[in-house]
Amino acid sequence: SYVLTQPPSVSVAPGQTARITCGGNNIGSKSVHWYQQKPGQAPVLVVYDDSDRPSGIPERFSGSNSGNTATLTISRVEAGDEADYYCQVWDSSSDHPGNVFGTGTKVTVL
Amino acid sequence: QLQLQESGPGLVKPSETLSLTCTVSGGSISSSSYYWGWIRQPPGKGLEWIGSIYYSGSTYYNPSLKSRVTISVDTSKNQFSLKLSSVTAADTAVYYCAVITLGGPVDYWGQGTLVTVSS
Repeated sequence: SYVLTQPPSVSVAPGQTARITCGGNNIGSKSVHWYQQKPGQAPVLVVYDDSDRPSGIPERFSGSNSGNTATLTISRVEAGDEADYYCQVWDSSSDHPGNVFGTGTKVTVL
Repeated sequence: QLQLQESGPGLVKPSETLSLTCTVSGGSISSSSYYWGWIRQPPGKGLEWIGSIYYSGSTYYNPSLKSRVTISVDTSKNQFSLKLSSVTAADTAVYYCAVITLGGPVDYWGQGTLVTVSS
């Protein structure tokens, strides 16, 4: 089955840039979606189709995807960005197509 | 704006069947735009997709759970349901119902419901 690997944690100072990676075999050929989850809450979509933002999501959130790595970039990080972040793809390459989530990354704002 | 609400027992005994229902409001479950899915999250752990269903009844299941999972849809009640059989403590999790674009993102999430498997 398809596996998406994320770093367990990323730490960043306020105002700086956080980059969260999502590694998968030839992930550049798939559409990657990113979610933010704060404690006790359901996840919220922050980037879809590699680099598009839903309405209401700040421009500080951006995404890219190429080769074996997709990246979520959070610019000018704020305290409110502290959360868990998950990537997700639809894997149609196997006999059992389905949704796959990454392992998750905890972003800590120092 | 679609809204989803999970309902069902919060405590299930080992070896029994976990049953949850998701009620959809703000739109029709017969919409051709979406799949209706279930996602779970064990305490302190990551997200796991369980499966999805189209209003016509076609389904996709996580291969690791497929032998124990049934997802069904009731268009007359605007609801869809999850059944997970032979549960163990490892099935303890917050269960979310969700609206998923096929091949795309999860567009809407329910608030989630904690199901604990314990005797």
